[in-house]
Amino acid sequence: QSALTQPASVSGSPGQSITISCTGTSSDVGVSKYVSWYQQQPGKAPKLMIYDVSDRPSGVSNRFSGSKSGNTASLTISGLQAEDEADYYCSSYTTSSTCVFGGGTKLTVL
Amino acid sequence: EVQLVESGGGLVQPGGSLRLSCAASGFSFSTYWMDWVRQAPGKGLVWVSRLNSDGSITTYADSVKGRFTISRDNAKNTLYLQMNSLRPEDTAVYYCVKYGRPWGQGTLVTVSS
Repeated sequence: QSALTQPASVSGSPGQSITISCTGTSSDVGVSKYVSWYQQQPGKAPKLMIYDVSDRPSGVSNRFSGSKSGNTASLTISGLQAEDEADYYCSSYTTSSTCVFGGGTKLTVL
Repeated sequence: EVQLVESGGGLVQPGGSLRLSCAASGFSFSTYWMDWVRQAPGKGLVWVSRLNSDGSITTYADSVKGRFTISRDNAKNTLYLQMNSLRPEDTAVYYCVKYGRPWGQGTLVTVSS
Protein backbone atom coordinates (compact mmCIF):
# COMPACT_ATOMS: atom_id res chain seq x y z
CA GLN A 1 0.00 0.00 0.00
CA SER A 2 2.63 2.54 -1.03
CA ALA A 3 1.46 6.06 -1.74
CA LEU A 4 1.39 7.41 -5.25
CA THR A 5 4.23 9.83 -6.00
CA GLN A 6 3.43 13.50 -6.56
CA PRO A 7 5.77 16.51 -6.59
CA ALA A 8 5.63 18.33 -3.27
CA SER A 9 5.07 21.68 -4.93
CA VAL A 10 4.50 23.34 -8.29
CA SER A 11 4.05 26.97 -9.18
CA GLY A 12 2.95 29.09 -12.08
CA SER A 13 1.93 32.61 -13.01
CA PRO A 14 -1.64 33.66 -13.77
CA GLY A 15 -2.65 32.63 -17.27
CA GLN A 16 -0.02 29.91 -17.54
CA SER A 17 -0.60 26.16 -17.63
CA ILE A 18 0.81 23.73 -15.11
CA THR A 19 0.82 19.96 -14.89
CA ILE A 20 0.94 17.83 -11.75
CA SER A 21 2.13 14.26 -12.14
CA CYS A 22 1.05 11.23 -10.14
CA THR A 23 3.17 8.11 -10.50
CA GLY A 24 2.04 4.69 -9.38
CA THR A 25 2.60 1.12 -10.46
CA SER A 26 1.18 -1.55 -12.72
CA SER A 27 -1.07 -2.56 -9.80
CA ASP A 28 -2.84 0.78 -9.52
CA VAL A 29 -2.54 3.76 -11.89
CA GLY A 30 -1.16 1.62 -14.70
CA VAL A 31 -4.24 -0.61 -14.88
CA SER A 32 -7.01 1.40 -13.22
CA LYS A 33 -9.61 3.54 -14.94
CA TYR A 34 -10.57 4.80 -11.49
CA VAL A 35 -8.05 7.61 -11.13
CA SER A 36 -9.25 10.80 -9.43
CA TRP A 37 -7.93 14.25 -8.59
CA TYR A 38 -8.97 16.41 -5.64
CA GLN A 39 -8.45 20.06 -4.80
CA GLN A 40 -8.28 21.09 -1.15
CA GLN A 41 -8.38 24.64 0.07
CA PRO A 42 -7.21 25.34 3.65
CA GLY A 43 -9.77 24.25 6.21
CA LYS A 44 -12.10 22.76 3.60
CA ALA A 45 -13.05 19.24 2.58
CA PRO A 46 -11.43 17.90 -0.59
CA LYS A 47 -13.26 18.80 -3.79
CA LEU A 48 -13.49 16.27 -6.62
CA MET A 49 -12.00 17.76 -9.79
CA ILE A 50 -11.43 14.74 -12.05
CA TYR A 51 -12.61 11.11 -11.95
CA ASP A 52 -12.26 8.14 -14.29
CA VAL A 53 -8.85 9.57 -15.33
CA SER A 54 -10.26 12.45 -17.38
CA ASP A 55 -13.92 13.11 -16.57
CA ARG A 56 -15.00 16.34 -14.89
CA PRO A 57 -17.94 16.53 -12.49
CA SER A 58 -20.53 19.10 -13.43
CA GLY A 59 -19.56 22.52 -12.20
CA VAL A 60 -15.80 21.99 -12.46
CA SER A 61 -14.12 24.38 -14.86
CA ASN A 62 -12.92 22.97 -18.18
CA ARG A 63 -9.55 24.54 -17.37
CA PHE A 64 -8.94 21.34 -15.42
CA SER A 65 -8.12 18.21 -17.40
CA GLY A 66 -6.77 14.77 -16.60
CA SER A 67 -4.84 12.16 -18.54
CA LYS A 68 -2.82 9.01 -18.05
CA SER A 69 0.17 7.38 -19.71
CA GLY A 70 1.48 4.08 -18.42
CA ASN A 71 1.83 4.26 -14.64
CA THR A 72 1.61 8.05 -14.50
CA ALA A 73 -1.52 10.17 -14.33
CA SER A 74 -1.47 13.92 -14.83
CA LEU A 75 -3.63 16.89 -13.91
CA THR A 76 -3.29 19.95 -16.11
CA ILE A 77 -4.65 23.36 -15.16
CA SER A 78 -4.74 25.86 -17.97
CA GLY A 79 -5.25 29.60 -17.68
CA LEU A 80 -4.03 29.53 -14.08
CA GLN A 81 -6.02 31.74 -11.69
CA ALA A 82 -5.28 32.91 -8.16
CA GLU A 83 -8.22 30.84 -6.87
CA ASP A 84 -6.52 27.66 -8.10
CA GLU A 85 -3.94 27.95 -5.34
CA ALA A 86 -4.53 24.88 -3.19
CA ASP A 87 -3.32 21.38 -2.40
CA TYR A 88 -4.01 18.72 -5.02
CA TYR A 89 -4.22 14.98 -4.45
CA CYS A 90 -4.47 12.08 -6.86
CA SER A 91 -5.92 8.67 -6.03
CA SER A 92 -6.30 5.32 -7.72
CA TYR A 93 -8.04 2.09 -6.95
CA THR A 94 -5.81 -0.97 -7.04
CA THR A 95 -5.98 -4.54 -8.22
CA SER A 96 -6.44 -5.56 -4.56
CA SER A 97 -9.69 -3.58 -4.17
CA THR A 98 -7.90 -1.02 -2.05
CA CYS A 99 -7.28 2.63 -2.80
CA VAL A 100 -4.11 4.68 -2.65
CA PHE A 101 -3.57 8.44 -2.56
CA GLY A 102 -0.66 10.58 -3.57
CA GLY A 103 1.16 12.61 -0.95
CA GLY A 104 -0.28 15.86 -2.27
CA THR A 105 1.07 18.79 -4.28
CA LYS A 106 0.94 22.40 -3.13
CA LEU A 107 0.16 24.69 -6.05
CA THR A 108 1.34 28.28 -5.70
CA VAL A 109 0.08 30.93 -8.08
CA LEU A 110 2.84 33.51 -8.31
CA GLU B 1 -28.01 15.38 -5.45
CA VAL B 2 -25.62 13.03 -3.70
CA GLN B 3 -25.20 13.86 -0.02
CA LEU B 4 -22.94 12.19 2.52
CA VAL B 5 -23.15 13.28 6.15
CA GLU B 6 -20.64 11.85 8.59
CA SER B 7 -21.20 11.81 12.35
CA GLY B 8 -19.97 10.12 15.50
CA GLY B 9 -16.59 11.74 15.89
CA GLY B 10 -15.29 13.14 19.15
CA LEU B 11 -12.62 12.94 21.82
CA VAL B 12 -11.67 9.45 23.01
CA GLN B 13 -8.86 8.13 25.16
CA PRO B 14 -6.14 5.86 23.74
CA GLY B 15 -7.40 2.28 23.69
CA GLY B 16 -10.99 3.41 23.45
CA SER B 17 -13.65 2.82 20.80
CA LEU B 18 -15.83 4.95 18.57
CA ARG B 19 -18.37 4.22 15.85
CA LEU B 20 -18.67 6.59 12.92
CA SER B 21 -21.79 6.79 10.77
CA CYS B 22 -22.35 8.14 7.29
CA ALA B 23 -25.89 8.91 6.15
CA ALA B 24 -26.18 8.72 2.38
CA SER B 25 -28.87 10.21 0.16
CA GLY B 26 -29.46 11.18 -3.45
CA PHE B 27 -28.34 7.90 -4.99
CA SER B 28 -29.04 4.19 -4.86
CA PHE B 29 -26.83 3.50 -1.85
CA SER B 30 -27.28 -0.27 -1.86
CA THR B 31 -25.71 -0.67 -5.29
CA TYR B 32 -22.37 1.08 -4.69
CA TRP B 33 -19.06 0.29 -3.05
CA MET B 34 -18.14 2.81 -0.35
CA ASP B 35 -14.88 3.94 1.25
CA TRP B 36 -13.62 5.65 4.38
CA VAL B 37 -10.71 8.08 3.98
CA ARG B 38 -8.99 10.07 6.72
CA GLN B 39 -6.79 13.12 7.03
CA ALA B 40 -4.65 13.79 10.07
CA PRO B 41 -4.18 17.47 11.00
CA GLY B 42 -1.82 19.11 8.51
CA LYS B 43 -1.27 15.85 6.64
CA GLY B 44 -2.43 14.26 3.41
CA LEU B 45 -5.36 12.04 2.53
CA VAL B 46 -5.12 8.38 3.49
CA TRP B 47 -7.47 5.61 2.43
CA VAL B 48 -8.78 3.56 5.39
CA SER B 49 -11.28 0.93 4.24
CA ARG B 50 -13.62 -0.23 1.47
CA LEU B 51 -16.87 -2.18 1.41
CA ASN B 52 -18.79 -3.66 -1.47
CA SER B 53 -22.47 -3.06 -2.14
CA ASP B 54 -23.90 -5.97 -0.13
CA GLY B 55 -21.35 -5.80 2.68
CA SER B 56 -19.67 -9.12 1.90
CA ILE B 57 -16.25 -7.84 0.75
CA THR B 58 -14.08 -5.62 2.93
CA THR B 59 -10.55 -4.29 2.54
CA TYR B 60 -8.47 -2.29 5.01
CA ALA B 61 -5.28 -0.28 5.14
CA ASP B 62 -2.56 -2.13 7.01
CA SER B 63 -2.52 0.59 9.68
CA VAL B 64 -6.09 -0.20 10.81
CA LYS B 65 -6.43 -3.90 9.97
CA GLY B 66 -7.68 -5.86 12.97
CA ARG B 67 -8.82 -2.71 14.81
CA PHE B 68 -11.38 -1.12 12.49
CA THR B 69 -14.49 -2.72 10.97
CA ILE B 70 -16.46 -1.28 8.09
CA SER B 71 -20.11 -2.20 7.66
CA ARG B 72 -23.35 -0.91 6.16
CA ASP B 73 -27.10 -1.00 6.60
CA ASN B 74 -28.61 -0.69 3.13
CA ALA B 75 -32.13 -0.41 4.58
CA LYS B 76 -31.02 2.74 6.42
CA ASN B 77 -28.69 4.03 3.65
CA THR B 78 -25.92 4.22 6.23
CA LEU B 79 -22.23 3.31 6.24
CA TYR B 80 -20.37 2.65 9.49
CA LEU B 81 -16.82 2.47 10.76
CA GLN B 82 -16.31 0.77 14.10
CA MET B 83 -12.95 1.85 15.50
CA ASN B 84 -11.44 -0.09 18.41
CA SER B 85 -8.08 0.07 20.20
CA LEU B 86 -7.71 3.66 19.10
CA ARG B 87 -4.27 5.26 19.03
CA PRO B 88 -3.17 8.91 19.00
CA GLU B 89 -2.10 8.45 15.38
CA ASP B 90 -5.73 7.71 14.45
CA THR B 91 -6.53 11.37 15.16
CA ALA B 92 -7.96 12.72 11.91
CA VAL B 93 -10.99 13.94 10.03
CA TYR B 94 -12.78 10.90 8.64
CA TYR B 95 -14.67 11.10 5.36
CA CYS B 96 -17.01 8.56 3.81
CA VAL B 97 -16.65 8.51 0.06
CA LYS B 98 -18.68 7.36 -2.91
CA TYR B 99 -16.35 7.17 -5.90
CA GLY B 100 -16.85 9.89 -8.45
CA ARG B 101 -19.06 12.05 -6.28
CA PRO B 102 -18.48 15.04 -3.96
CA TRP B 103 -17.36 14.37 -0.41
CA GLY B 104 -19.09 15.38 2.80
CA GLN B 105 -17.56 17.59 5.47
CA GLY B 106 -16.17 14.69 7.50
CA THR B 107 -16.14 14.07 11.23
CA LEU B 108 -13.21 14.76 13.53
CA VAL B 109 -11.83 12.00 15.73
CA THR B 110 -9.35 13.01 18.41
CA VAL B 111 -7.52 10.31 20.36
CA SER B 112 -5.88 11.81 23.40
CA SER B 113 -5.65 11.41 27.15
